[in-house]
Amino acid sequence: DIQMTQSPSTLSASVGDRVTITCRASQSISSWLAWYQQKPGKAPKLLIYKASSLESGVPSRFSGSGSGTEFILTISSLQPDDFATYYCQQYNSFPYTFGQGTKLEIK
Amino acid sequence: QVQLQESGPGLVKPSETLSLTCTVSGGSISSYYWSWIRQPPGKELEWIGYFHYSGSTNYNPSLKSRVTISVDTSKSQLSLKLNSVIAADTAVYYCARANCYYCYMDVWGKGTTVTVSS
Repeated sequence: DIQMTQSPSTLSASVGDRVTITCRASQSISSWLAWYQQKPGKAPKLLIYKASSLESGVPSRFSGSGSGTEFILTISSLQPDDFATYYCQQYNSFPYTFGQGTKLEIK
Repeated sequence: QVQLQESGPGLVKPSETLSLTCTVSGGSISSYYWSWIRQPPGKELEWIGYFHYSGSTNYNPSLKSRVTISVDTSKSQLSLKLNSVIAADTAVYYCARANCYYCYMDVWGKGTTVTVSS
């Protein structure tokens, strides 16, 4: 199985900050990576697919980059609605695997 | 707009079979790949497996011996059966849709909580 490792596990930030979350794959997954946002008690919401493609309806302050084994999710200017947990997921091969999550907290 | 709704017993006894249904509304169940994903309390997401209406399936090897996923196109329902459950199977179970064989999941249900306990 491909292991996905996110860092940091927890991130404290303020409204208006620029934040980055890193996801590393245990082997190359090309650009077959998705990012999801999850709020407490809710289902994950797709933000980014194919490493850098923005899902329809997702604000442009979210962006993704990377390929191979290292990927980054960037939120350019944090909004109150962005405080949540973020997961990366590889779909290069089965079984699909997710990172352990990054919890974005209000500083 | 397509919506997914999971349903099933919230409590299952150890060694019994967990059975869940996901009802698809507002869209066709055909031509898509339908997955089940679970999330134990306080833990990360775990992909269980997928079913394509053509009959193609793919399961997580960690659960393959205990899992069956199927689709009833006449009812627009996806089902999950997990045999011989143990406490570690306690989780929120989600169904989700993907557009292709190797693909991200673009539509998710709200999830249903299943507790394994006697």
